[in-house]
Amino acid sequence: QVQLVESGGGLVKPGGSLRLSCAASGFRFSDYYMGWIRQAPGKGLEWISYISSGARTIYYADSVKGRFTISRDNAKNSLYLQMNSLAAEDTAIYYCARATDYCRTTTCYVDYFDFWGQGTLVTVSS
Amino acid sequence: QSVLTQPPSVSAAPGQKVTISCSGSGSNIENYYVSWYQQLPGAAPTRLIYENNKRPAGIPDRFSGSKSGTSATLDITGLQTGDEADYYCGTWDDSLSGFYAFGTGTKVTVL
Repeated sequence: QVQLVESGGGLVKPGGSLRLSCAASGFRFSDYYMGWIRQAPGKGLEWISYISSGARTIYYADSVKGRFTISRDNAKNSLYLQMNSLAAEDTAIYYCARATDYCRTTTCYVDYFDFWGQGTLVTVSS
Repeated sequence: QSVLTQPPSVSAAPGQKVTISCSGSGSNIENYYVSWYQQLPGAAPTRLIYENNKRPAGIPDRFSGSKSGTSATLDITGLQTGDEADYYCGTWDDSLSGFYAFGTGTKVTVL
């Protein structure tokens, strides 16, 4: 069965960095788009990034663009999120999710997120 | 500030029906598939509906989705106490440089 397990969360000071990992199993990782979604305490879901199966296409939400970097290692069935210049508003549970894409002519988009990990908590505080 | 607007909360008695709306625009719902996610208390979200009205295996037919123009709707019939959760719509938005948008979320309460 599909499993996604996030790790790397924790307490970090403002301005600091953190690298999240997501270990995938139960499916052919290299065939799927993958994404990161976060949820601040008591708030709704916020999509922050996704990466295509071959890592050629990457999108970021404006709120993290220039600070966060998504990457993947298909040989290790792993997804990563490098987070720099962290601020208090980045405090959230970070979920890794498998995405299914659909394509129109030559452009592909995220259709939906079909499997989610349990999340890892990132707390930015001095 | 989400581009997809949902009512903050809806409620009904067990066995009744609730309808959750998701209002968007021509840059998102009107031109892209809508999905719905259920988040039970303390748990990660799970996919409930995809491509406007399709249910994954294991999702009961009490849950149904539809789309018309710039809006989408999730109906839950035969409401059960286990349906108490937060529900989010989601779709692609092609404004700016493109992004995936989640709705503002709706809390369903079973009275």
